[in-house]
Amino acid sequence: QSVLTQPPSVSAAPGQKVTISCSGSSSNIGNNYVSWYQHLPGTAPKLLIYENNKRPSGIPDRFSGSKSGTSATLGITGLQTGDEADYYCGTWDSSLSAGVFGGGTKLTVL
Amino acid sequence: EVQLLESGGGLVQPGGSLRLSCAASAFTFSTYAMNWVRQAPGKGLEWVSSISGSGGSTYYAASVKGRFTISRDKSKNKLYLQMNSLRAEDTAVYFCAKVVDGSGSYYMDYWGQGTLVTVSS
Repeated sequence: QSVLTQPPSVSAAPGQKVTISCSGSSSNIGNNYVSWYQHLPGTAPKLLIYENNKRPSGIPDRFSGSKSGTSATLGITGLQTGDEADYYCGTWDSSLSAGVFGGGTKLTVL
Repeated sequence: EVQLLESGGGLVQPGGSLRLSCAASAFTFSTYAMNWVRQAPGKGLEWVSSISGSGGSTYYAASVKGRFTISRDKSKNKLYLQMNSLRAEDTAVYFCAKVVDGSGSYYMDYWGQGTLVTVSS
């Protein structure tokens, strides 16, 4: 059972938009910034979003992040087949003194 | 370009020990906290442990506390994870990651490719 809650899977057609939610509590998302990671099996996870809504250099603006209260959302527009991957939210939990991830969401581009 | 290269994984029997290493390059190693994160077969990412840039502060997931020890050697630009009393449920790919933290911010901007640890008799 992950500290942060994500839907197990989402799907959408190429070119469409999808959102992935991440729900936590006041000890993690509520008081700390959220980051998002893309992970393809057999590869290193990649940072997509940091500090709730900032994109590292090289990440296209099709990827966006937002946060409200104890929840965060990753948005992906203009879906491509290459976006098929697992997506994870993460942050620090101040009560646990531990890093925490969501359980991951598998994106399928139909 | 920042590079992180893990090594030391392999097959170990339950109750055994293993030490993972992560060689870091192209950034000021002692300035940044570092993490170990693992992914068990068919499961999601799990944060395992974190160490501050100075090495003075360490943090562990409840699942490994008392069995794993994180450390770093700034003279060698290396991160370590000493794993003792290994269990079958520790079987996973272990990633090291560079951390950016402070003022409520906490994220991993660079990751290694991972090293596989298999605990089995």
